Amino acid sequence: ETGVTQTPRHLVMGMTNKKSLKCEQHLGHNAMYWYKQSAKKPLELMFVYSLEERVENNSVPSRFSPECPNSSHLFLHLHTLQPEDSALYLCASSQGTGTMQYFGPGTRLTVT
Amino acid sequence: TQLLEQSPQFLSIQEGENLTVYCNSSSVFSSLQWYRQEPGEGPVLLVTVVTGGEVKKLKRLTFQFGDARKDSSLHITAAQPGDTGLYLCAGVLISSGSARQLTFGSGTQLTVLP
Repeated sequence: ETGVTQTPRHLVMGMTNKKSLKCEQHLGHNAMYWYKQSAKKPLELMFVYSLEERVENNSVPSRFSPECPNSSHLFLHLHTLQPEDSALYLCASSQGTGTMQYFGPGTRLTVT
Repeated sequence: TQLLEQSPQFLSIQEGENLTVYCNSSSVFSSLQWYRQEPGEGPVLLVTVVTGGEVKKLKRLTFQFGDARKDSSLHITAAQPGDTGLYLCAGVLISSGSARQLTFGSGTQLTVLP
């Protein structure tokens, strides 16, 4: 595997389910990000981890819970989501923050 | 109000035509990046510009950073169907200090018809 991978690619979940999104980067980077991409809206930065510590949390509801066990892996735990949370969730990594970011293919999430 | 405004939002042209898309802000950026995103994929970095007035070329794509580092443009010459995609600009605010997070525009959806 090369670059940034994300699993699953597609996820349909009910409002009472618990699921997790996984991201893995094979680039040796030290920063990882979660973004939300909704139709007709700019990418919204959700969380930033630098050197495995969370350095940014942009007013994201608590039903989204990130986890970064090491510099190569990032998870987004989902719990009791709302239909408006349906979106493409993108993971990215970079060497240092604010630099060139490499994105994964995203997880298309649908909340029913 | 978005920090980075991209225009046009949608653009549909015939193969062989030229086009320019714009990324504008009232804020100053220390650097600005352009990405292209195809359906079902994540954005892919095309270029980074860091110096006011800088021009970079990538085959048929020409990127320019404004002198004041508040705006940027992407010009495509002789567009091809393979250029179809969502073009995103993203910048690091010069005032962001150590945070240095990327702020994204909402994108220009380009369709090149054969």
